[in-house]
Parts: sequence; structure tokens; C-alpha cells
Amino acid sequence: GQQVMQIPQYQHVQEGEDFTTYCNSSTTLSNIQWYKQRPGGHPVFLIQLVKSGEVKKQKRLTFQFGEAKKNSSLHITATQTTDVGTYFCAGEGGSWGKLQFGAGTQVVVTP
Amino acid sequence: EAQVTQNPRYLITVTGKKLTVTCSQNMNHEYMSWYRQDPGLGLRQIYYSMNVEVTDKGDVPEGYKVSRKEKRNFPLILESPSPNQTSLYFCASSRYLGQGRGGSYEQYFGPGTRLTVT
Repeated sequence: GQQVMQIPQYQHVQEGEDFTTYCNSSTTLSNIQWYKQRPGGHPVFLIQLVKSGEVKKQKRLTFQFGEAKKNSSLHITATQTTDVGTYFCAGEGGSWGKLQFGAGTQVVVTP
Repeated sequence: EAQVTQNPRYLITVTGKKLTVTCSQNMNHEYMSWYRQDPGLGLRQIYYSMNVEVTDKGDVPEGYKVSRKEKRNFPLILESPSPNQTSLYFCASSRYLGQGRGGSYEQYFGPGTRLTVT
């Protein structure tokens, strides 16, 4: 069955540095979404990508969907302490409406 | 205020005692889903519903039941809870834009229900 893997599991970043988290699926995805969960909170929708090769930006965040629609990445530039949290990708692959989440990348920012 | 509400927020129960976690949304969303979150495993989908009277299994449906009699409500039922169902549960809803696969899922999550089964 479909599996969505996310790397790295943990990311320690110095404030001001850039980092990237990656999401890889064993099967082709119809779409992929990214969510952010602050410690003790619930996941919050960030963005959805649907088209092959699609790139979207939200301020310091850049999201990319691979050409084969099997991988995606989230790149954050000039990390701030407000970026602390766990970032999840989620993809619709096998069945309509069935979403699979990656295990998440936990981001810790050092001032 | 647009929101997804869950009740209860915290629950400690014993093995075998049937329980229901309620989920309600006020955004007229077609799509609703239940997830459990366990350390190191991310969010795993339990059940989802594309619309009223339509429910489907996610990746981990064993031991759970759901119903979707009304658009706004999507309760999660544990008929006979066991300790391995101790987890953090999230309900989510989304306005589904599109037909078939490839549509839009901007999911709004509830605050979560922390369940402990002893």
C-alpha cells in the first residue's frame, strides 16, 4: 500500500539559517498538503499542491511538488523562533478521500 | 467563528467500556475525518466521510466505528476500548473542491481528545 515518508525526523536549526524537509511517497499522489503543529496544539493547514512540478511560496516558506508527483519539499529561509513546531505532509494516493500523513519533521530553533 | 469542536477533550476509561467522542463542525464542510496521533507515527487516518451517509476506512479502522447522519457531526465510537487505543485523537473537516481525486482538502482540525484506556 501507499506509504508517505518524511525526513528528517528532527531538525535543529540556528535562528537565521535555512532548512528543508522532504516528503516521499511510494506511489503517485493526486495532491499533497502541508500542515504545521505547534507543541501542544492541533495541525494547521499551510498549503496544498496539486500539479506536477508546482511551486508555491508563502513568505519565507517555499513548497514544491515533484515532477513525478511522488515527492514534495518544504524549504524555510531565515528561520525564526516562530517556526518551531512539527511539519507534516499528507497525500491522497490510493483512494479518493484517503489521506496519509508522514511522521513529521520536528523543528527546534536555537536563538 | 468557524471551528471544529470535539468532546470530551480528556478521557480516562477502562478496558471494554464503550465510549463516544463527538465531533462537530459549523462550516458546512462535506469532508470529515478522524485521526489518531502517536509519538513517532504522525497522524494516522481512522475513518473518513466524503458526505452524509458516506464513510470509508482509513489506515487504522480496527476497533473503531463512525457514523455520518448529519453533515455537521461525525462521532467516533469505541465499542470495546483497549489499552492500545490510548492516543491523541483529532477530528478534521474540509470543504472538498473538485470531483474525484485531486481535489482540495484544506482541513480544519479540532483541538484534540486525549484518551487513556487502562
